[in-house]
Amino acid sequence: DAGVIQSPRHEVTEMGQEVTLRCKPISGHNSLFWYRQTMMRGLELLIYFNNNVPIDDSGMPEDRFSAKMPNASFSTLKIQPSEPRDSAVYFCASSFPQISYNEQFFGPGTRLTVL
Amino acid sequence: AQSVSQHNHHVILSEAASLELGCNYSYGGTVNLFWYVQYPGQHLQLLLKYFSGDPLVKGIKGFEAEFIKSKFSFNLRKPSVQWSDTAEYFCAVKAAGNKLTFGGGTRVLVKP
Repeated sequence: DAGVIQSPRHEVTEMGQEVTLRCKPISGHNSLFWYRQTMMRGLELLIYFNNNVPIDDSGMPEDRFSAKMPNASFSTLKIQPSEPRDSAVYFCASSFPQISYNEQFFGPGTRLTVL
Repeated sequence: AQSVSQHNHHVILSEAASLELGCNYSYGGTVNLFWYVQYPGQHLQLLLKYFSGDPLVKGIKGFEAEFIKSKFSFNLRKPSVQWSDTAEYFCAVKAAGNKLTFGGGTRVLVKP
């Protein structure tokens, strides 16, 4: 079974550039979560969706960050413009709360480096 | 707002030693509880979970955790660790809503 798929796995970009991270949740899952992990701040929830609708975006750092979920099988996290302090590993996770009691399944992550 | 505390940030121990990682949460209602493990350079993977019933939960790789409701705790244990248990361990709680609240993580280093 395919798990959560994220692309790209690694991204290196220059400050000021737009970055788009992609996530495909596990088929049938109806909740999707974006996290950021850094050494300094640990694991942070940025935003999550239920049935493609954003429910809680209080963790989004600032207006440079935006996330969309146009359909049940795809989500994007965009940073525009990117800054060096955005360098981190970004994880996407999905769940099916009605079945799995909110167990989340994590993707492999995207390691972002902003120069 | 609910919160999760993992008291040990770093733990260093030798192979065959016993491991116990503390986790406390703040929420008075019904909770679902999880322990995740993150091996170096990898993503988070579920070790074990508690929803209801027997408060002693057994997970993969010889790990277990005990839910003590009166203490708001869900401590993780392993009787005898191996070098391959070197990882970061995260406790997480699901209270209201569908999101999980994660603790700050505990880095465990097992010396061979």
